[in-house]
Amino acid sequence: RKEVEQDPGPFNVPEGATVAFNCTYSNSASQSFFWYRQDCRKEPKLLMSVYSSGNEDGRFTAQLNRASQYISLLIRDSKLSDSATYLCVVNLSDTGRRALTFGSGTRLQVQP
Amino acid sequence: DAGITQSPRHKVTETGTPVTLRCHQTENHRYMYWYRQDPGHGLRLIHYSYGVKDTDKGEVSDGYSVSRSKTEDFLLTLESATSSQTSVYFCAINKQGAEGYTFGSGTRLTVV
Repeated sequence: RKEVEQDPGPFNVPEGATVAFNCTYSNSASQSFFWYRQDCRKEPKLLMSVYSSGNEDGRFTAQLNRASQYISLLIRDSKLSDSATYLCVVNLSDTGRRALTFGSGTRLQVQP
Repeated sequence: DAGITQSPRHKVTETGTPVTLRCHQTENHRYMYWYRQDPGHGLRLIHYSYGVKDTDKGEVSDGYSVSRSKTEDFLLTLESATSSQTSVYFCAINKQGAEGYTFGSGTRLTVV
């Protein structure tokens, strides 16, 4: 079983739509959670951190459910520029190595 | 930005030859990482470093070695390249106390 699992998609949505991505992680000791965005043939870039209380950044909302080991990302009012692959990422901070574990990503295609 | 560069950006090499990839950072960050990215697997940790001459293995370290003789440089070496090492390699840095990582632009390595 993968440590971080995501639906690979693709999610094809029209401009202006609301879309949600989900992610599950297997290690209950995971301590930090993130969403990264990766454009085609580019490096991953941090989109936002995910906190237990939930957090919002403009059109993006991230939520964490520790009991279910589940992370979500909601994108409202989708733009063409949101087309990318979204990576769910967790960190076992207590390992000492502070290395991130990545899901395989969910691809989003926003269509005009 | 954090100032992280990878070289070369692209490389084609023959099976059995040694290959060294370089990651260079300009801001004196302690933690550096090498990941590889393959379709269906997401990013997987190869090796990481938590200081000069302090390195450790990640989940897919077989066939790879690393060196960090200076804070700014983290080298990844494929001692004898194989076709299974054809991949995109990303270097990342993590500023202590900061959330998330910053990635280099990647090296596309093809082993023929």
